[in-house]
Amino acid sequence: EAQVTQNPRYLITVTGKKLTVTCSQNMNHEYMSWYRQDPGLGLRQIYYSMNVEVTDKGDVPEGYKVSRKEKRNFPLILESPSPNQTSLYFCASSLIGGRVGTGELFFGEGSRLTVL
Amino acid sequence: RKEVEQDPGPFNVPEGATVAFNCTYSNSASQSFFWYRQDCRKEPKLLMSVYSSGNEDGRFTAQLNRASQYISLLIRDSKLSDSATYLCVVSFYTGGFKTIFGAGTRLFVKA
Repeated sequence: EAQVTQNPRYLITVTGKKLTVTCSQNMNHEYMSWYRQDPGLGLRQIYYSMNVEVTDKGDVPEGYKVSRKEKRNFPLILESPSPNQTSLYFCASSLIGGRVGTGELFFGEGSRLTVL
Repeated sequence: RKEVEQDPGPFNVPEGATVAFNCTYSNSASQSFFWYRQDCRKEPKLLMSVYSSGNEDGRFTAQLNRASQYISLLIRDSKLSDSATYLCVVSFYTGGFKTIFGAGTRLFVKA
């Protein structure tokens, strides 16, 4: 079954304790991206990756890191989480249609993170 | 100004009604346009892509006006199951593809 898998789905942590949210897709998609969703603000792009070893900042990258060592995986790293990073996080993947744009974004089920 | 702006919600409509959502985007270099649906804080799912020629999928019709930088979604004969948040999404190339989501418009369809 084609899917994007995120882990953990729910996490409560404390300020400053490093954490990683994993994301894996089995559709051989080039494009992967992380978003956070907050009430009234919609989904905001944190980082995205066009392919292996190619990553770039989205609109809200501060406090986050990513890596793309393999095509299927795109982990999101919070080196020193703070309470303002409490949010619902979504990973997504897509094919790329040349310079035309991304195709349909397939999303993981989301990871709800609370930083105390 | 937000890069992608949508009608403020919520929209409360009776079953069978026709409802229209609007969306404007600020980046004229935008290349791909979509409507996504999101249920109760679950993951967004593609409803339909939006093309300049307009496209229709059953009860749903999407239109794109590049000159006005405007996207619309029309839902005819609303069903209870259409109750959800509708997200307007724009993608553009800046050395990589950024995807910008509107804040979403909430729709409630009542019996």
